[in-house]
Amino acid sequence: NAGVTQTPKFQVLKTGQSMTLQCAQDMNHNSMYWYRQDPGMGLRLIYYSASEGTTDKGEVPNGYNVSRLNKREFSLRLESAAPSQTSVYFCASKPDRYSGNTIYFGEGSWLTVV
Amino acid sequence: EDKVVQSPLSLVVHEGDTVTLNCSYEVTNFRSLLWYKQEKKAPTFLFMLTSSGIEKKSGRLSSILDKKELFSILNITATQTGDSAVYLCAVDTTSGTYKYIFGTGTRLKVLA
Repeated sequence: NAGVTQTPKFQVLKTGQSMTLQCAQDMNHNSMYWYRQDPGMGLRLIYYSASEGTTDKGEVPNGYNVSRLNKREFSLRLESAAPSQTSVYFCASKPDRYSGNTIYFGEGSWLTVV
Repeated sequence: EDKVVQSPLSLVVHEGDTVTLNCSYEVTNFRSLLWYKQEKKAPTFLFMLTSSGIEKKSGRLSSILDKKELFSILNITATQTGDSAVYLCAVDTTSGTYKYIFGTGTRLKVLA
């Protein structure tokens, strides 16, 4: 029962470097999300994809890009990492954007930008 | 602007105590309210509440929603050290972005 899988789990980047966080779900869910979690800030939505082929900005999209590669995979790219992007990143999915079903989270990716 | 506010921000209790965590919200097009428990990694689902006044219960945890006053509470009775975690409240809206809005969480520490 893999659920939502994120890689890498830990990463240290230098300011200005780029990287991609990968996310895959095996539950045949239509909707996928990327959140960041910072101390005292709760979970904030970066980007989401309501269905394959669509992506939309969330609350804090600046400095990030996303790709919904297919129904299973939703990647998050940092083009030029900044220390302000040091955070824990969670990928999540749910069956579709219309249902009241709960959202399923990956294990998180701890990113430090120095 | 939609918002979800949790209180208290943190709480320290002793094993056996009962705790009440609060979540208030102001959102357009409310659909449901969800509670999650987050230990070291991913949040794990506890409850989803859609109807006012109907208590959801699972073991020592229970939750209720008041849609008139726009809040929910999460109760934990006979707390154990394993209940130590951050408890997150989220509201699912039917607004154009179809997103979950999360509160900042309540950090609960249960001392032996």
